[in-house]
Amino acid sequence: DAGVIQSPRHEVTEMGQEVTLRCKPISGHNSLFWYRQTMMRGLELLIYFNNNVPIDDSGMPEDRFSAKMPNASFSTLKIQPSEPRDSAVYFCASSGGGFIQPQHFGDGTRLSIL
Amino acid sequence: GENVEQHPSTLSVQEGDSAVIKCTYSDSASNYFPWYKQELGKRPQLIIDIRSNVGEKKDQRIAVTLNKTAKHFSLHITETQPEDSAVYFCAASVGFKTIFGAGTRLFVKA
Repeated sequence: DAGVIQSPRHEVTEMGQEVTLRCKPISGHNSLFWYRQTMMRGLELLIYFNNNVPIDDSGMPEDRFSAKMPNASFSTLKIQPSEPRDSAVYFCASSGGGFIQPQHFGDGTRLSIL
Repeated sequence: GENVEQHPSTLSVQEGDSAVIKCTYSDSASNYFPWYKQELGKRPQLIIDIRSNVGEKKDQRIAVTLNKTAKHFSLHITETQPEDSAVYFCAASVGFKTIFGAGTRLFVKA
């Protein structure tokens, strides 16, 4: 089992640029979650999908953030345009088999917006 | 919505002592309570979890207790070791939605 795979691991870009973060969930898992982690706000749930359908995006901070899951093995989180306050570690997690299942996290993408 | 409070924010113990981290939740519909350990620069990793129909669960040196009436749950680590030093997060889940506590930074002094 390869686990949840995120790319890139690190991203440094200038404000105003578009940023795309990628995630491949564990094969067979049907739920996917995007989190943002900062020192100030901790681990925040941004959006989650079940069977490729967005269920709750109430955690997405602004319209500059968007997420898609075109198929069961791939999801993207996009920020356009990016701002320095978007700097954080972004984690993707997946789980399978229904509601009461643990989430497995990827290694995260450390995003720095200059 | 669900709110999870976690205490203390920092905990320092001597190697071999026990450590206890406490969390409270607000949504009585929450039915799943996982605990994650996150080492510096690493991803959160599940260490133990408990479902709402269980009051206590133990796995070697780690145990979790749940009091549904009071809406609080706790993590107990016995015989702490330096490698237990990390940030620990509690969480409460309702359906697919999981809300995390703010984390407890545990220092185990050798």
